[in-house]
Amino acid sequence: DAGVIQSPRHEVTEMGQEVTLRCKPISGHNSLFWYRQTMMRGLELLIYFNNNVPIDDSGMPEDRFSAKMPNASFSTLKIQPSEPRDSAVYFCASSLRTGEGYTFGSGTRLTVV
Amino acid sequence: GENVEQHPSTLSVQEGDSAVIKCTYSDSASNYFPWYKQELGKRPQLIIDIRSNVGEKKDQRIAVTLNKTAKHFSLHITETQPEDSAVYFCAALSMEYGNKLVFGAGTILRVKS
Repeated sequence: DAGVIQSPRHEVTEMGQEVTLRCKPISGHNSLFWYRQTMMRGLELLIYFNNNVPIDDSGMPEDRFSAKMPNASFSTLKIQPSEPRDSAVYFCASSLRTGEGYTFGSGTRLTVV
Repeated sequence: GENVEQHPSTLSVQEGDSAVIKCTYSDSASNYFPWYKQELGKRPQLIIDIRSNVGEKKDQRIAVTLNKTAKHFSLHITETQPEDSAVYFCAALSMEYGNKLVFGAGTILRVKS
């Protein structure tokens, strides 16, 4: 099992550019979560999906953020346009079923300059 | 919704001593309490978890206790070793409020050799 796979590992982009982060959950896991981690705010849940359907996006900070899960093995988090305050580590996590522990991916470190 | 508070924010212990990290939660419907360890630059990894129908769980040098009445749970690490140095996060999950993990702010544990 390769675990939760995220790409890219690092992304440096200029303010105003579009950024797309990608995630492949563990095969068979039916819940997927996007978290953002910063020193100031800790681990914040942005959005989560059950069976590819978005359930709760109340953590998405602004309309500049959007997430999709077109199938059970792939999800994207898009920021358009990006701003310096979006700089953070973005983690994707998946779980086998609701109420179970999460397995996190290695994260994407995003720097917006 | 759920609110999780974690103390202390930093903890320094001598190698071989015990370390205790405490968390409180607000939602009495929460029923699942995992603990994650995050080493510098790495992903959070699940180290132990407990459900609301259990008061204590042990795994080698790590134990977690849960007091549902007081709504608090604790992580105990015995015979600490330098490799235990990391950031530890507690979390709580409430099926009633959207089945999502809410994380504490984290505790930086330093084990001095």
